[in-house]
Amino acid sequence: AQSVTQLGSHVSVSEGALVLLRCNYSSSVPPYLFWYVQYPNQGLQLLLKYTTGATLVKGINGFEAEFKKSETSFHLTKPSAHMSDAAEYFCAVSDNTNAGKSTFGDGTTLTVKP
Amino acid sequence: SQTIHQWPATLVQPVGSPLSLECTVEGTSNPNLYWYRQAAGRGLQLLFYSVGIGQISSEVPQNLSASRPQDRQFILSSKKLLLSDSGFYLCAWSDGTGGKTTAVYFGPGTRLTVT
Repeated sequence: AQSVTQLGSHVSVSEGALVLLRCNYSSSVPPYLFWYVQYPNQGLQLLLKYTTGATLVKGINGFEAEFKKSETSFHLTKPSAHMSDAAEYFCAVSDNTNAGKSTFGDGTTLTVKP
Repeated sequence: SQTIHQWPATLVQPVGSPLSLECTVEGTSNPNLYWYRQAAGRGLQLLFYSVGIGQISSEVPQNLSASRPQDRQFILSSKKLLLSDSGFYLCAWSDGTGGKTTAVYFGPGTRLTVT
């Protein structure tokens, strides 16, 4: 079975600083990995996904993530934080069926200080 | 383009009352459909998923049920709500032909408070 661990339930950065949100996964098969963002009282929105190929994946809003098989990690980064990036971020891994189910981490709340 | 609708946006219900939350998807055919619940400060818990009309799989035993009467319609129900049913309910869909690599696309959610 697949699982995801997000290290740090809360991360706080200053505006303009590097954003790093950590995600480690466990999977018995090659994983398919996703990052989603959730703004207050809204549904989740896909930021980026890794399936196969290039291990550095670029997403929307300037975010990117790098798949590192040796470290079983898929950390999310952004070079310079904006106030609008304040939200909750979820890492997810797809299961190994065609039902498209995903297992989500517990989320990381990102706060951006002015 | 595809869109997903959920209603109502908020709901306050007394313990023991019934529940019906509805979700519809537009712009796609034969999607996989999902109901997730998000408790306060917690991650997402998959409740039900469906790969086709009338096909429902339950992930967590509880007093909730789901139905898919039409290809792009997914309904979450309960005969008698419990306090523990309070939470943020999210309907979602994925491309039925996408297999393992497909992302999940979420609706706006329903905030349910059971009093």
